[in-house]
Amino acid sequence: AQTVTQSQPEMSVQEAETVTLSCTYDTSESDYYLFWYKQPPSRQMILVIRQEAYKQQNATENRFSVNFQKAAKSFSLKISDSQLGDAAMYFCAYGSYYGQNFVFGPGTRLSVLP
Amino acid sequence: DTAVSQTPKYLVTQMGNDKSIKCEQNLGHDTMYWYKQDSKKFLKIMFSYNNKELIINETVPNRFSPKSPDKAHLNLHINSLELGDSAVYFCASSQGAGTSGPVSETQYFGPGTRLLVL
Repeated sequence: AQTVTQSQPEMSVQEAETVTLSCTYDTSESDYYLFWYKQPPSRQMILVIRQEAYKQQNATENRFSVNFQKAAKSFSLKISDSQLGDAAMYFCAYGSYYGQNFVFGPGTRLSVLP
Repeated sequence: DTAVSQTPKYLVTQMGNDKSIKCEQNLGHDTMYWYKQDSKKFLKIMFSYNNKELIINETVPNRFSPKSPDKAHLNLHINSLELGDSAVYFCASSQGAGTSGPVSETQYFGPGTRLLVL
């Protein structure tokens, strides 16, 4: 079974600075997807960024980018120019290519300091 | 227009009662999911339906029964509610999954239903 680990329960960053959230996963599958979701206090789950495992190029989405290391099974999220609205729980998630499994990590709570 | 909607938003009930949470998506997606998020924010998949067929059924008590009347709806019925069922339940949908092909797109989540069992 797949597992997703986020080793940082809490992180903080100064406004306008850069922060990196860690995620590692374990799988025997060769094709899969990885996601970062954001959950603000409103509880809504919001997709931040998505990566297909067969793509070597790291996904980017405006201020958000990932460092995907397939051999190391690592999928970290970098947030540049942090904003107060970035404060939230961030979940790393794994999805099997054919949808048989979808697993979330335990989450990292990010605080943004003014 | 709400893509994935859930009702009710809040549900407070007594132990032993039976309750249902409804979920509807207007995205035309093939697959719908139910997740449970506990008090520690841990999010765990419960069920996944693809074109009204069950494709993921994690280890959940059989008091929980998903019902999919059509592709756009996946309701969660809970019998004999227990204190430990208190949590936030999220519905989600995505385009494609299971034997119909790869998971091509992201899951879109509903706003969640906060269930409190007294």
